[in-house]
Amino acid sequence: GNSVTQMEGPVTLSEEAFLTINCTYTATGYPSLFWYVQYPGEGLQLLLKATKADDKGSNKGFEATYRKETTSFHLEKGSVQVSDSAVYFCALYSGAGSYQLTFGKGTKLSVIP
Amino acid sequence: SQTIHQWPATLVQPVGSPLSLECTVEGTSNPNLYWYRQAAGRGLQLLFYSVGIGQISSEVPQNLSASRPQDRQFILSSKKLLLSDSGFYLCAWSVQAGGYDTQYFGPGTRLTVL
Repeated sequence: GNSVTQMEGPVTLSEEAFLTINCTYTATGYPSLFWYVQYPGEGLQLLLKATKADDKGSNKGFEATYRKETTSFHLEKGSVQVSDSAVYFCALYSGAGSYQLTFGKGTKLSVIP
Repeated sequence: SQTIHQWPATLVQPVGSPLSLECTVEGTSNPNLYWYRQAAGRGLQLLFYSVGIGQISSEVPQNLSASRPQDRQFILSSKKLLLSDSGFYLCAWSVQAGGYDTQYFGPGTRLTVL
C-alpha cells in the first residue's frame, strides 16, 4: 500500500536558519505529492504540490522537488521566520480509483527569535 | 473564490450522546467532499468521502455516519458517542475532475467526549 514517512519532530530552529524537513514515500504508479501546513488550532492549508517527476513546487519561500529516483519530496526554506512555526504534513495522492490522501505523521516546527 | 466552513468550532459531549457536525462549501459546484479525523499521535485518517448528493463511501468502519443532503453540504453524525471519538475533525473538498487530487481543508471541529 501507499505510505509517507516524515522526519520525526519536533524541530527547533532560530529565526533565519535554513529548514529541511525530509519526506519519502512508497506508492504505486505516479502519485501527486503535497505539503500541507497546520497552524495551532487551525485546519490544514495547502502549502505546495508537485504532480510529476522533477517538478518543483514553491510557495511563500518554501520549495520541494519531486524526486522519483529517491522517492522523496523534501521541504526546504532558506530563512525561516517565527511565523513559520506550525506542523507540516507531507502527503501523496495515487489515484487508481482511490480518493484518499495518504499523510505522513507531521513534523512540528518551532522557530525562536 | 472557494471557501469551506465547519461548525461548531469546538464541542464537548458526554459519552453516549448524539453528534452532528456540519460542513459547507461555497464558490464551487458538485465538489468531492471528505471527512477526516486527526487524533493525537495518529495522524490524519479519512473517514468518509462523497462524489455527489446521497453518495457516501466509508473508509473505516465505526459508529460514525455521513450524509450529503445538498450538493455543497456534508454532515458527520453519530447516534452514541464513544470516548475514542474524541479528536479534531476536518472537512475537505476537491474538484470533480482535472485536479481532483488536490484537497482543500476547512478550519476543523475539535470534539472532546467525556
